[in-house]
Amino acid sequence: QSALTQPASVSGSPGQSITISCTGTSSDVGRYNYVSWYQQHPGKAPKLMIYQVSNRPSGVSNRFSGSKSGNTASLTISGLQAEDEADYYCSSYTSSSTRVFGGGTKVTVL
Amino acid sequence: QVQLVESGGGVVQPGRSLRLSCAASGFTFSGSGMHWVRQAPGKGLEWVAVISYDGGSKYYADSVKGRFAISRDNSKNTLYLQMNSLRADDTGVYYCAKDGPDIASAYDYWGQGVLVTVSS
Repeated sequence: QSALTQPASVSGSPGQSITISCTGTSSDVGRYNYVSWYQQHPGKAPKLMIYQVSNRPSGVSNRFSGSKSGNTASLTISGLQAEDEADYYCSSYTSSSTRVFGGGTKVTVL
Repeated sequence: QVQLVESGGGVVQPGRSLRLSCAASGFTFSGSGMHWVRQAPGKGLEWVAVISYDGGSKYYADSVKGRFAISRDNSKNTLYLQMNSLRADDTGVYYCAKDGPDIASAYDYWGQGVLVTVSS
């Protein structure tokens, strides 16, 4: 049950696009389309942003999009805004029927 | 609206036990899988355990297997986490989360979290 690999930090200027990667293995990200992404502001509970690789829950801005290629999933935030500054986590279902999170990525809006 | 409210946290000595509860409302609790996820101070999210809608299937992270037990009471719309043989590295905020919007797809609703501190 090794954690998925995410970059520790990503930054961008307002209006720019950034992409966060999430690398797993053929037993989790590569095998299932059950990859999800979460936004967490300091002191708050995580919020679901993307599920099943690329689906957005109702109420989530269409500036957030997800994709997957092989063992790597990605979250793209377009038109970066100050309110997007937060920690982001990916998660995947695994072949053991467990779940695993990535280590988290701190997004900074310059 | 969906609400998940955790309780039962606090300060406990190493080796002792603690039981967390999560009261659910606003959705059909008996139809949803449920998770516990924790976060050590200043660290990332760690998945802890999942239980199926009827309690028939349970899975655990290796770090808690054999020490923690997840359970539910659908008549009370309540999820539990029994934590035994607690260690210092079990310290953190514990969140309950609802499985959804489709089975195994994600955690679509989260509680506010409850703090567990394991210290002598």
